Amino acid sequence: QLQLQESGPGLVKPSETLSLTCTVSGDSIGSSKYHGGWIRQPPGKGLEWIGSIYYSGTIYHNPSLKSRVTMSLDTSKNQFSLKLSSVTAADTAVYYCAREFLYDSSGYHHYFDYWGQGTLVTVSS
Amino acid sequence: QTVVTQEPSFSVSPGGTVTLTCGLSSGSVSTSYYPSWYQQTPGQAPRTLIYSTNSRSSGVPDRFSGSILGNKAALTITGAQADDESDYFCVLYLGSGISMFGGGTKLTVL
Repeated sequence: QLQLQESGPGLVKPSETLSLTCTVSGDSIGSSKYHGGWIRQPPGKGLEWIGSIYYSGTIYHNPSLKSRVTMSLDTSKNQFSLKLSSVTAADTAVYYCAREFLYDSSGYHHYFDYWGQGTLVTVSS
Repeated sequence: QTVVTQEPSFSVSPGGTVTLTCGLSSGSVSTSYYPSWYQQTPGQAPRTLIYSTNSRSSGVPDRFSGSILGNKAALTITGAQADDESDYFCVLYLGSGISMFGGGTKLTVL
């Protein structure tokens, strides 16, 4: 069974960089069929797609966050990572990593099929 | 700026049928947007219900179904149960690697 687990600091100071890692077990992330995705949810609010990274290293961003987002992939550790720079209190949220399933023999799908449990990141001095 | 729209809240009686919708601020939703639906209860990660408009994810009961209704994607729950009381989010794939979540619908079963 595929599992994803987020890890990283739970508290980040304003103006600093938030860094999270997603460790995947049960399948390889080095496949053309998947993206590694990041989604966040501010307390009491809805879900927001942050971005996704392809096995080739190609990155897709939410246009509203693009200038602050960096993502990377380490296939040897089966991990992908997120960095969000210049954080403010508005970036306080539960951050989820998820696998975005792109296609199989039946065609394209583009949906998030497996999710991590989420990790709360608070931005505060 | 494209916005994915959902009803903020909806209520259904136990045993009843409810249809939640997912639209676009401009334009119509079609299967080319690969609509997917997720259920979330407080404090939990989202659970995948429906993908590619109408395909049920593994283990999802067949009382959950997806479709295109008019110019929107739709999630229909037939025979609503108490534990269906959750937040429901849709996602549309906008192309070029970009996905967008709707604002979510809070479903009350009473």
